[in-house]
Amino acid sequence: GDSVTQMEGPVTLSEEAFLTINCTYTATGYPSLFWYVQYPGEGLQLLLKATKADDKGSNKGFEATYRKETTSFHLEKGSVQVSDSAVYFCALSRNYGGSQGNLIFGKGTKLSVKP
Amino acid sequence: KAGVTQTPRYLIKTRGQQVTLSCSPISGHRSVSWYQQTPGQGLQFLFEYFSETQRNKGNFPGRFSGRQFSNSRSEMNVSTLELGDSALYLCASSATGPTLEQYFGPGTRLTVT
Repeated sequence: GDSVTQMEGPVTLSEEAFLTINCTYTATGYPSLFWYVQYPGEGLQLLLKATKADDKGSNKGFEATYRKETTSFHLEKGSVQVSDSAVYFCALSRNYGGSQGNLIFGKGTKLSVKP
Repeated sequence: KAGVTQTPRYLIKTRGQQVTLSCSPISGHRSVSWYQQTPGQGLQFLFEYFSETQRNKGNFPGRFSGRQFSNSRSEMNVSTLELGDSALYLCASSATGPTLEQYFGPGTRLTVT
């Protein structure tokens, strides 16, 4: 079945460091790919998305490119801030005639940014 | 536009009891999905409702059920609670059409003792 694998955490970085969180997926067809972020005590927020191969999603300085040849959707940010400390989830969904199927999530990667 | 709201935010129940959680989607959204989040299993899909019909269901026992009302509000029910049902239950809503985005509520933290 469909699945998402993302790098184990926690990841600890200093402020202004470069961030990469790896995410690979297994799915038939052409799923849509997402990154969600969860701050302590809160629900999930959509960070960015990509719906087809070679699409680049971007938001708040974060980027991820849908790579079908490597089945990957790695999250990157050039300069992290303390406020980026959170848990990041990679997810996919199958498309059914224009409607979104259920999300399948990776295990999450906890990021801590130190001042 | 108001976001997805979930009530209650926190709940403590005893083994064997049942519980009902409520979710109000973003205005105009007709699809509501429920997810369970635990430290061990991560985020797992429970079910999705669209226009009062269950459209998709995850791999959970029949103790977990849900429904959706004509105003798109949704409830999920867990009967005969077990300790392992302790989790954060997240509700997400999405609009019809190819927006492909689900918006999550803050969740209900259920503790079973």
